[in-house]
Amino acid sequence: EDQVTQSPEALRLQEGESSSLNCSYTVSGLRGLFWYRQDPGKGPEFLFTLYSAGEEKEKERLKATLTKKESFLHITAPKPEDSATYLCAVQAWGEETSGSRLTFGEGTQLTVNP
Amino acid sequence: ETGVTQTPRHLVMGMTNKKSLKCEQHLGHNAMYWYKQSAKKPLELMFVYSLEERVENNSVPSRFSPECPNSSHLFLHLHTLQPEDSALYLCASSHTSSLAGEAFFGQGTRLTVV
Repeated sequence: EDQVTQSPEALRLQEGESSSLNCSYTVSGLRGLFWYRQDPGKGPEFLFTLYSAGEEKEKERLKATLTKKESFLHITAPKPEDSATYLCAVQAWGEETSGSRLTFGEGTQLTVNP
Repeated sequence: ETGVTQTPRHLVMGMTNKKSLKCEQHLGHNAMYWYKQSAKKPLELMFVYSLEERVENNSVPSRFSPECPNSSHLFLHLHTLQPEDSALYLCASSHTSSLAGEAFFGQGTRLTVV
């Protein structure tokens, strides 16, 4: 069974204090690993897809990296507007119709104080 | 604006009521999804539609009944719900079901069953 564990559950940072969020996973053949941002009262917003170990993606202050067992979301010099819950999900290889086999983690709630 | 619109945003219903959630997307996507998000639990996939055909029913109780009349609209019909069904119900869409990880989400319907 595919599993995703995110840590920490919650993280408080001061503005400008860089840190990383972790997403550990076990999956029977990784098709893709995905990061999302979710603001209170809203649906998740897709950020990145990572397909293979060693791959990195960047967007503004965010950089996502992938190894064979985990992914990190690095936040450099965060600002208060980066406060949100960050979700990680993995998709396993399967039949086309079940390609939607996504397994989500519980998320990391990030708060950046000014 | 994510391109996926859900109505209503909030719904309170009794256990004997019948109500429907509506989702609309104008992104030209061929796959649509219903997810359930409960507090402190990972996002749970409920149903997947690809080209208006249901391709996945993730062991959801029959008191939840989806309908996809065309590729732009998705409904979730609710009847005889239980208090534990209270949650945020999210609709999402993607180009194809194999790209479920890169879906666009609506803002959700906050459902409270009393």
